[in-house]
Amino acid sequence: AQSVTQLGSHVSVSEGALVLLRCNYSSSVPPYLFWYVQYPNQGLQLLLKYTTGATLVKGINGFEAEFKKSETSFHLTKPSAHMSDAAEYFCAVKNNFNKFYFGSGTKLNVKP
Amino acid sequence: GAGVSQSPSNKVTEKGKDVELRCDPISGHTALYWYRQRLGQGLEFLIYFQGNSAPDKSGLPSDRFSAERTGESVSTLTIQRTQQEDSAVYLCASSLILGQTEAFFGQGTRLTVV
Repeated sequence: AQSVTQLGSHVSVSEGALVLLRCNYSSSVPPYLFWYVQYPNQGLQLLLKYTTGATLVKGINGFEAEFKKSETSFHLTKPSAHMSDAAEYFCAVKNNFNKFYFGSGTKLNVKP
Repeated sequence: GAGVSQSPSNKVTEKGKDVELRCDPISGHTALYWYRQRLGQGLEFLIYFQGNSAPDKSGLPSDRFSAERTGESVSTLTIQRTQQEDSAVYLCASSLILGQTEAFFGQGTRLTVV
């Protein structure tokens, strides 16, 4: 069965600094990978997804993620953090039976 | 509809009462998912529907929990004899069956058992 590991339940960065949120997955077949963002008291919103093709995926709000098969990773990055990026971020993998597996989430805090 | 709609948005119930949570998926989405999110925690998978059948209900925590879906439309999650540990946000999501498609989430129902 697939699993998703997000390293660091809380990450704190200064405004303008690089954001790096880590995600590793286990999968026996090439997966479909997703990053979602959840703002307080809201549902989850898709940031970006990897399906096939280019391994560097660009999403909304300046976020991007790189699929590295050899490392089974799909880390999320943003060159310069903004206060509005403070939220919880979830990595997810979808298997061939249409089931989504979510990581435990990383809360991003952005300091002024 | 334009997005996944869940109702009610908030529900406060007394311990021991039954509750029904409703999810209206995006029109045409064959797949429907229920997740539970306890305060400060991640998403806990409950059940997955493909059409009106549930090929994976492995996440339902006890026999007090049940869910049904009418065709490729509305789903209801029922919790019988609610307990305080059932307090959480219940999230519904829908998706096309195509492998690369993402899940679209509703705003959730916040259930508080007092």
